[in-house]
Amino acid sequence: DGGITQSPKYLFRKEGQNVTLSCEQNLNHDAMYWYRQDPGQGLRLIYYSQIVNDFQKGDIAEGYSVSREKKESFPLTVTSAQKNPTAFYLCASTPQGGEMNTEAFFGQGTRLTVV
Amino acid sequence: AQSVTQLDSQVPVFEEAPVELRCNYSSSVSVYLFWYVQYPNQGLQLLLKYLSGSTLVESINGFEAEFNKSQTSFHLRKPSVHISDTAEYFCAAGTYKYIFGTGTRLKVLA
Repeated sequence: DGGITQSPKYLFRKEGQNVTLSCEQNLNHDAMYWYRQDPGQGLRLIYYSQIVNDFQKGDIAEGYSVSREKKESFPLTVTSAQKNPTAFYLCASTPQGGEMNTEAFFGQGTRLTVV
Repeated sequence: AQSVTQLDSQVPVFEEAPVELRCNYSSSVSVYLFWYVQYPNQGLQLLLKYLSGSTLVESINGFEAEFNKSQTSFHLRKPSVHISDTAEYFCAAGTYKYIFGTGTRLKVLA
């Protein structure tokens, strides 16, 4: 079955640590996205990539980094510079970037908690 | 600037009653409109979408939404809800990126 796989489902981070969230898709989609979800705030765009080896900052990129070395993979690193990283993180993909007239496919999410 | 507003953060409704979840958008350009549903600790799933053509769009599980350009709205309705419809619903507008509303938590009561 085609889809998006996020791992791990739950992740705990100590203060000052970097952690990397995995996102893999086998849909052959060009564009991939990372969103952060907090209660009552909806989804906020962290980073997006429309093509391999290229990515752009979203609305809340500070304290995060990404890479897009392969079409299938778009890992997100939450760095120690992110002061409030506890949240639910969602990865998504669309066939192409640019005009958003298609359905976005979402992974099951990773819940990150700082301990 | 584009924005999506969902005024109701929570909507409780009794089983088999009708429900309307409101969504208004603001955009200076043409947009594509979507409703997504999210069950607890899961990702979002597409419920329905408006791209062009008929302003009334329907989902396979009984939801419908109507695009109203003059009122810049895309409200979601269901004539009779089930317990299983309990979830969070997100309205989204697509231009060069997705813009999501803050979500409406629908709680269906027995």
